Parts: sequence; structure tokens; C-alpha cells
Amino acid sequence: GQNIDQPTEMTATEGAIVQINCTYQTSGFNGLFWYQQHAGEAPTFLSYNVLDGLEEKGRFSSFLSRSKGYSYLLLKELQMKDSASYLCAVMDSNYQLIWGAGTKLIIKP
Amino acid sequence: DAMVIQNPRYQVTQFGKPVTLSCSQTLNHNVMYWYQQKSSQAPKLLFHYYDKDFNNEADTPDNFQSRRPNTSFCFLDIRSPGLGDAAMYLCATSREAGGTDTQYFGPGTRLTVL
Repeated sequence: GQNIDQPTEMTATEGAIVQINCTYQTSGFNGLFWYQQHAGEAPTFLSYNVLDGLEEKGRFSSFLSRSKGYSYLLLKELQMKDSASYLCAVMDSNYQLIWGAGTKLIIKP
Repeated sequence: DAMVIQNPRYQVTQFGKPVTLSCSQTLNHNVMYWYQQKSSQAPKLLFHYYDKDFNNEADTPDNFQSRRPNTSFCFLDIRSPGLGDAAMYLCATSREAGGTDTQYFGPGTRLTVL
């Protein structure tokens, strides 16, 4: 079966750095997406990785290792507005998005 | 400027009373998706349309139907809502059905079943 695993919840302090991990087992691989979802709102696109390595975009970076079936989202200089759920999703060989359940990130002052 | 629009944002219906949710897009994307998302769970794909080609996910209940009368609009019909159908319903679009094409989501419709 296809599976995406990410921690259910994480807590971090304003101004700090946090890393949210995602491991996956899917039928084929056509890229990995990270989305941010604030409570009661729709997911918004953060990043896309299809090759191994680190992609940096401002305060957010995303890393991929295809051989390990592993990705992480790194958030720097955390702000209160970063409190949200972060969803990892993998596009499989049929170009279907397989979603993780999301990691709820709580930022404390 | 809103690119994927969903109406209404909040919908309340009675147990067993049919309800229709609507989605429109100004992106001229080929693909439109309907997802169901329950609290603290991953979005679950119900349907997707590539242009007017309809694709029903294998485990989507028969209670759910969808229509895409033109490129811009897509509807989700729930024929006889049950208490278990209370959820956030998300509409998304993408330019093409794969590769690097990101899915863009509407704000969602939160359905309550009384």
C-alpha cells in the first residue's frame, strides 16, 4: 500500500528553527509537495522537490532523498503566523497525489 | 484576486437532504479535483476531471456525484448526506495532471449535517 508518515504535532518557539520530517512509500515517484494549511482554511502550496537535495525559498527550505524515501521541511525564524498544519504529499506513478495527515505546528512566544 | 472560488463557504443540511457544492476557477486549468477532508486527516480525493473526462476514485461512495459543465465550473452533489459526510470539501485545480503542476485550492466549503 501507499503510505506517507509525518509527526502528528510539533511545538517550537518564536524565532527558532523547526524541521518537519516526512517519510513515504508509494507506487512510483513524480515529486513531493509541501503545503501549509491554517485551521479551517485550504492548503496553500509551499514547495516541490523532484530531485535530491535542498530547495530554499526564503525562510522555508525543503529537502528530498529519493533513495531513503524521506523529505523534510525546515522553517527558520519562526513567526506566530507559522502556526498551521504542514502537509506532505507525494505524486505517484499515476500522477495521483498521496497525502499525509499533516503535522500541526504550534508556535509559542 | 480569487482564482479558485467555492460557494458557499459554510453549508448546513439536514440528514438525507441533497446538497450541491460549487467551484469555479479563473485559471483556465484543465484539471479540477474534489477532495473531502475531515479534522486532522489528509485530504481524500473523491473525483477529478481532466477537461471533461471524469475520473471517479475507486472508493468514492455512490452517494457522491460530480458534474463539470464547462472548463470553469465543477459541482459536487451529495445525494443523501449522512452524519459521516460532515467535512471540509476542497476544490482544487491544476494546469495539467502531473509533473510539476501544482494544485491550487479553493477556500473550501465546510459541510454540517444535522
